[in-house]
Amino acid sequence: NAGVTQTPKFRILKIGQSMTLQCTQDMNHNYMYWYRQDPGMGLKLIYYSVGAGITDKGEVPNGYNVSRSTTEDFPLRLELAAPSQTSVYFCASSYLQKGQGEAFFGQGTRLTVV
Amino acid sequence: AQKVTQAQTEISVVEKEDVTLDCVYETRDTTYYLFWYKQPPSGELVFLIRRNSFDEQNEISGRYSWNFQKSTSSFNFTITASQVVDSAVYFCALSEAKSGGYQKVTFGTGTKLQVIP
Repeated sequence: NAGVTQTPKFRILKIGQSMTLQCTQDMNHNYMYWYRQDPGMGLKLIYYSVGAGITDKGEVPNGYNVSRSTTEDFPLRLELAAPSQTSVYFCASSYLQKGQGEAFFGQGTRLTVV
Repeated sequence: AQKVTQAQTEISVVEKEDVTLDCVYETRDTTYYLFWYKQPPSGELVFLIRRNSFDEQNEISGRYSWNFQKSTSSFNFTITASQVVDSAVYFCALSEAKSGGYQKVTFGTGTKLQVIP
């Protein structure tokens, strides 16, 4: 089982460049999430989606955009990369509503903006 | 507002020792869920356990056990006879249980456990 797959695993961007982090899941989960993990800070929610065509902002959405055209895919777009976006990014999905469901995480994307 | 506190930033133990990772949470909700995740050096987060606020029974799974106490708002995680493979960062998380839309999941800052052979 593939679970949640993120690409790329590593990326270096120059300030002002743009890129898309890809995320796909094969578990037919309705809920999908993007988090960023900064050292010693836990995980912060960037955007989430409760189903195809429905997305909403999390705690730290500035500088990012998402789309959810299918159940499987939830790409994260960085426009005009800034050094503050240097972080490890995790995509996750879950299958239960009301906060009950555990999240399944991808392996992460380590992004450095220089 | 929800909050999860993992006061232990890093813990080192010698293999075969027992170790307890602390998690203290704050919420105004009466119904909520608590989670523990493991992040090994490879980087991905792996789900370990979920607990709902109405179930205060302790749980044991092999060398892992969890102690949930609503009176002290704590959900501590104990590893018995630790092994090198237990070396990882462990996250505690809290989730609301309201209907409709997204229920915020708040993660603690993690505890890095190093098991020394």
